[in-house]
Amino acid sequence: AQSVTQLGSHVSVSEGALVLLRCNYSSSVPPYLFWYVQYPNQGLQLLLKYTSAATLVKGINGFEAEFKKSETSFHLTKPSAHMSDAAEYFCAVSRTQGGSEKLVFGKGTKLTVNP
Amino acid sequence: EPEVTQTPSHQVTQMGQEVILRCVPISNHLYFYWYRQILGQKVEFLVSFYNNEISEKSEIFDDQFSVERPDGSNFTLKIRSTKLEDSAMYFCASSEAVWPQHFGDGTRLSIL
Repeated sequence: AQSVTQLGSHVSVSEGALVLLRCNYSSSVPPYLFWYVQYPNQGLQLLLKYTSAATLVKGINGFEAEFKKSETSFHLTKPSAHMSDAAEYFCAVSRTQGGSEKLVFGKGTKLTVNP
Repeated sequence: EPEVTQTPSHQVTQMGQEVILRCVPISNHLYFYWYRQILGQKVEFLVSFYNNEISEKSEIFDDQFSVERPDGSNFTLKIRSTKLEDSAMYFCASSEAVWPQHFGDGTRLSIL
């Protein structure tokens, strides 16, 4: 079975500060990993994905994440937070085999950006 | 950019009534999914659909739930006899290949 743990249900940073949102996964097979963002009253928007190519993945809006197999982690970072980054962020894992594969989500981390 | 469209945005239904949630996936996508998010909890997988049949379903997706692709554009989730615990945000997703999945804005289902 696969699972995702997101450390910290709430993270608060100042505008311009580093954003670090933590995600650890558990998977018995090589995983695909994703970060989604949810703005208030909106759906889930894909930020970035790891699909077994480069371990450092760049996404939209200046976010990036690094896949570390030895640490079973896929933390999301952004060098400088912007007010518009305030949202809820979800890490998700999926299996790599073909077919219709479900996403298993973490509980989410709500990011607050203070002026 | 093409979007997954869900209607209605909010559905209020009496307990025991049937409800149909509608989704229009992105037009060239082949894989379709329903997820739900109970308030304050994780987004949970319900069902995946490919080639006009269910590929996988979770233990949540019991006999009260069904999915259908009635024509070439719509993908629906039916709950036959709603319960209070069905109150949640329901998300439809679609994908061209297996990944990545593109999500709609969701339908908030409130059961009274």
